[in-house]
Amino acid sequence: GAVVSQHPSWVICKSGTSVKIECRSLDFQATTMFWYRQFPKQSLMLMATSNEGSKATYEQGVEKDKFLINHASLTLSTLTVTSAHPEDSSFYICSAEGQGNYGYTFGSGTRLTVV
Amino acid sequence: AQSVTQPDIHITVSEGASLELRCNYSYGATPYLFWYVQSPGQGLQLLLKYFSGDTLVQGIKGFEAEFKRSQSSFNLRKPSVHWSDAAEYFCAVGLNTGGFKTIFGAGTRLFVKA
Repeated sequence: GAVVSQHPSWVICKSGTSVKIECRSLDFQATTMFWYRQFPKQSLMLMATSNEGSKATYEQGVEKDKFLINHASLTLSTLTVTSAHPEDSSFYICSAEGQGNYGYTFGSGTRLTVV
Repeated sequence: AQSVTQPDIHITVSEGASLELRCNYSYGATPYLFWYVQSPGQGLQLLLKYFSGDTLVQGIKGFEAEFKRSQSSFNLRKPSVHWSDAAEYFCAVGLNTGGFKTIFGAGTRLFVKA
């Protein structure tokens, strides 16, 4: 079945630095990837949708200059949290879609803590 | 607008007892429906999904769910709960509109007591 890998699983960074999170589709080509965020004890909210080779589409209220998404290949999308602040601490998770695999397979998620 | 409602924030059941987690959705057409489970600090695991066909769907770990169009519901059930089932459960709607977006419910935390 479709496998989505996400790396790193967790990361701690200092306030003001940038962090990059990778999402890979291991056994299929992902034309579309989705990035979600989950605050503690809350549900998951879609942040943005990225299509391979084009700019990402951000949901309302998500700062595109802060959360940079790159989907340069059919198997890799990256989310970079720029100038991270403690309020960006969250659980980030991706899903991928392509080749008959709908975007309901998720990566294992990345827990970001900004100190 | 599309939405998913899980009316129970948390539920406590005894080990061996039956379980039903409620989920209602709001969507104009027949949606794609999912149940996911998330253990603390972990990612999402797909329990089962409904796209079409038989409205009673069997999933992994002994879970099943029934799609009831008239009630806009997709409740998750398990006949006998195990202590390892304690986790957060999310009901979700998949919208295939130029990309497959998922809208999640708020989640239900399941506690299992011995």
